[in-house]
Amino acid sequence: DAKTTQPPSMDCAEGRAANLPCNHSTISGNEYVYWYRQIHSQGPQYIIHGLKNNETNEMASLIITEDRKSSTLILPHATLRDTAVYYCIVRASNTGNQFYFGTGTSLTVIP
Amino acid sequence: EAGVAQSPRYKIIEKRQSVAFWCNPISGHATLYWYQQILGQGPKLLIQFQNNGVVDDSQLPKDRFSAERLKGVDSTLKIQPAKLEDSAVYLCASSFSLSTGELFFGEGSRLTVL
Repeated sequence: DAKTTQPPSMDCAEGRAANLPCNHSTISGNEYVYWYRQIHSQGPQYIIHGLKNNETNEMASLIITEDRKSSTLILPHATLRDTAVYYCIVRASNTGNQFYFGTGTSLTVIP
Repeated sequence: EAGVAQSPRYKIIEKRQSVAFWCNPISGHATLYWYQQILGQGPKLLIQFQNNGVVDDSQLPKDRFSAERLKGVDSTLKIQPAKLEDSAVYLCASSFSLSTGELFFGEGSRLTVL
């Protein structure tokens, strides 16, 4: 079962930062936070992951709170192509545990 | 680098018929996953392979679903007989290893059961 809670939907103006929250209050010490997104009619796409520290790559930034009970995915300058369902997943990386995708947040970027 | 290939992209069958989906993962990826995604829901893992061995098939309805990865490369997922509730997108994904968290997904095979 999904160990994360996300809002079902969000809107963001094009060019603005999109901040997608995720609660994972029962996260274990060896579990990473992963973010994937799924654009309509495509398979999910990996975005970023982290354990404790904030992470940044060419797609997004991941901010994890100090107690690790929540995180925020930041798309710094949202474009229309960022309209998608965003999934926050926790998983222990040193095991073969499966990814529980949940229902995610449907982000709509508005022109 | 070629991505995960899946076929067919679309399939329409009547209930009680059978169907098979094929997946070719990214070259060198040891771990292969089959997910079922029903409209409006997130993907649900059906089966996970490490090379040609099954790691997790706890959510695979074994009375009607089967999957194999005989040579540890490509894989086939079969449904026989199909039910109306099997209408979904079947996604294949691969990763370099079990511990790798970056999964690469194919575009999926959309099944409609009438």
